[in-house]
Amino acid sequence: DTGVSQNPRHKITKRGQNVTFRCDPISEHNRLYWYRQTLGQGPEFLTYFQNEAQLEKSRLLSDRFSAERPKGSFSTLEIQRTEQGDSAMYLCASSFPGDEQFFGPGTRLTVL
Amino acid sequence: RKEVEQDPGPFNVPEGATVAFNCTYSNSASQSFFWYRQDCRKEPKLLMSVYSSGNEDGRFTAQLNRASQYISLLIRDSKLSDSATYLCVVDPREGGGNKLTFGTGTQLKVEL
Repeated sequence: DTGVSQNPRHKITKRGQNVTFRCDPISEHNRLYWYRQTLGQGPEFLTYFQNEAQLEKSRLLSDRFSAERPKGSFSTLEIQRTEQGDSAMYLCASSFPGDEQFFGPGTRLTVL
Repeated sequence: RKEVEQDPGPFNVPEGATVAFNCTYSNSASQSFFWYRQDCRKEPKLLMSVYSSGNEDGRFTAQLNRASQYISLLIRDSKLSDSATYLCVVDPREGGGNKLTFGTGTQLKVEL
């Protein structure tokens, strides 16, 4: 399967814990995006990378959130000191510049 | 005001019906427009891009009215398999490839 993959698919954690998600984009794609989707809403943009450079971050990305793409391939999204409001589906997408974004299956986070 | 507004539905229609969804966007400088489809608990997938001249893909027709900042999607001869959430999506930059702004989605249920 050469699509976008995300791990883990589900994560349950207690409030205050740190969590890290991983996204492996389609291998040729140099752009990688993170979105968050809550129930009944469309995805909301969080941040994106071109190769290893993080080019834009949303105001939604508080200082508890950090994303990296160290070698321009896979990316990680870390949430520190999780809060119940962080419960959501975290979606990763990849693309060529100016081209269709392909989404991964998402990581569903539940903060208890 | 939300950047992209859609009626959340649900729209319940019989098989074979024609159904239309509308969407408005607030950023007049937006350059690219799309409809994505999202099945329950799955990732969004691109259904079609939307052009000022209007475009058609089989049973699906999309229209863009830049003056009114209005986007539409028409589905003819609805199939059971069309049941999904349809997300109106705007990209403020030409050619896409950057952050996407999603509406909340319109839920369609096609019934026998």
